Amino acid sequence: GAVVSQHPSRVICKSGTSVKIECRSLDFQATTMFWYRQFPKQSLMLMATSNEGSKATYEQGVEKDKFLINHASLTLSTLTVTSAHPEDSSFYICSAISGGVRSYNEQFFGPGTRLTVL
Amino acid sequence: AQTVTQSQPEMSVQEAETVTLSCTYDTSENNYYLFWYKQPPSRQMILVIRQEAYKQQNATENRFSVNFQKAAKSFSLKISDSQLGDTAMYFCASIVRKGGKLIFGQGTELSVKP
Repeated sequence: GAVVSQHPSRVICKSGTSVKIECRSLDFQATTMFWYRQFPKQSLMLMATSNEGSKATYEQGVEKDKFLINHASLTLSTLTVTSAHPEDSSFYICSAISGGVRSYNEQFFGPGTRLTVL
Repeated sequence: AQTVTQSQPEMSVQEAETVTLSCTYDTSENNYYLFWYKQPPSRQMILVIRQEAYKQQNATENRFSVNFQKAAKSFSLKISDSQLGDTAMYFCASIVRKGGKLIFGQGTELSVKP
């Protein structure tokens, strides 16, 4: 199956700093990537959908200026948490599909990144 | 709007026995897919089984099978011969053909006991 990686797997940062998380599709071209946030014992919450070469589409209630998403190539999307605060501490998961969102394509998930903001 | 509901927050089963996890969904679309994902303690999401809405035959993958009741909008997962490695969070999810967004249920935490 297709492989999606995330880097780093866990990161600890100080309040007020920015953190960048990378999501890469290793063996396929991902025209669309998704970013999720997950709190302990809870479900995945979709934050945004990113398409290569265009602006990300954010879900309602997600701050665009706080969570910057860049899908610069067909194999890489990044999520930058700007001016992080303790409430941003969470588990962030990306997924990727090949092809566009107009037809079904299986989502392949990355292993996730645990962010802790002190 | 698409919704997925899992009403069993936690379940447990003895090793080698069978367990069924429940899921109901709601959508106005005719073409959609339903999934069960497993999230073990490693937190890596793993696709367990997939069902296309237009297929009447229930999907099966080895020890995993579904009971897809389209009229009732029900999509339960049966795990036969439960193994310790089946211990995980299980999420039911749906996607419509146009849109690409996976809608997840709340999850069911399954514990398989020796």
